[in-house]
Amino acid sequence: AIQLTQSPSSLSASVGDRVTITCRASQGISSALAWYQQKPGKAPKLLIYDASSLESGVPSRFSGSGSGTDFTLTISSLQPEDFATYYCQQFNSYPRLTFGGGTKVEIK
Amino acid sequence: EVQLVESGGGLVQPGRSLRLSCAASGFTFDDYAMHWVRQAPGKGLEWVSGISWNSGSIGYADSVKGRFTISRDNAKNSLYLQMNSLRAEDTALYYCAKGLRIFGYKDAFDIWGQGTMVTVSS
Repeated sequence: AIQLTQSPSSLSASVGDRVTITCRASQGISSALAWYQQKPGKAPKLLIYDASSLESGVPSRFSGSGSGTDFTLTISSLQPEDFATYYCQQFNSYPRLTFGGGTKVEIK
Repeated sequence: EVQLVESGGGLVQPGRSLRLSCAASGFTFDDYAMHWVRQAPGKGLEWVSGISWNSGSIGYADSVKGRFTISRDNAKNSLYLQMNSLRAEDTALYYCAKGLRIFGYKDAFDIWGQGTMVTVSS
């Protein structure tokens, strides 16, 4: 199965900061990557699909980039409601899909 | 309103079975692939199993292959997960999730339920 490695596993940032999270795939997955946000006690929420397409209703401060094996999620100006855990997911090797280990974004 | 509601979780002894259900509403269920994803307490997300819109393509994580069976009843707008030979490491919150695109094959998940908790313990 394709492995996804997220880095960092956690980070501390302040409101207004630019935040970048990376996701590396163990083999090429084209652009078949999604990003999710999960808050404590809640189900994950889709933010980005196809590596760079913004899901409807998601603020434009979120953006995704990359293809092949290296991907990034960027939050251009961190807001209080953005403190959460973020996961990448590959859907290239359907039907055997995988998630990254997660990145927890905490308040500095 | 698009909604997924899971049920069937609970406390079960190791080696026993449990069947989870996911009731879908607010969208044309038989147009979309569906999936089960689990999350052990304090841990990350793990994809468990997925099924295409017409049940023609089914997949499982290695950790559950041979023990879990996914199925769907499009007439009842329902998704199921039959879990046999349960182990302590299957303890998790189980989510059902909807594929993003109509007749999607390789896809992200745009709608998630709130999950049903499965605890495997003697």
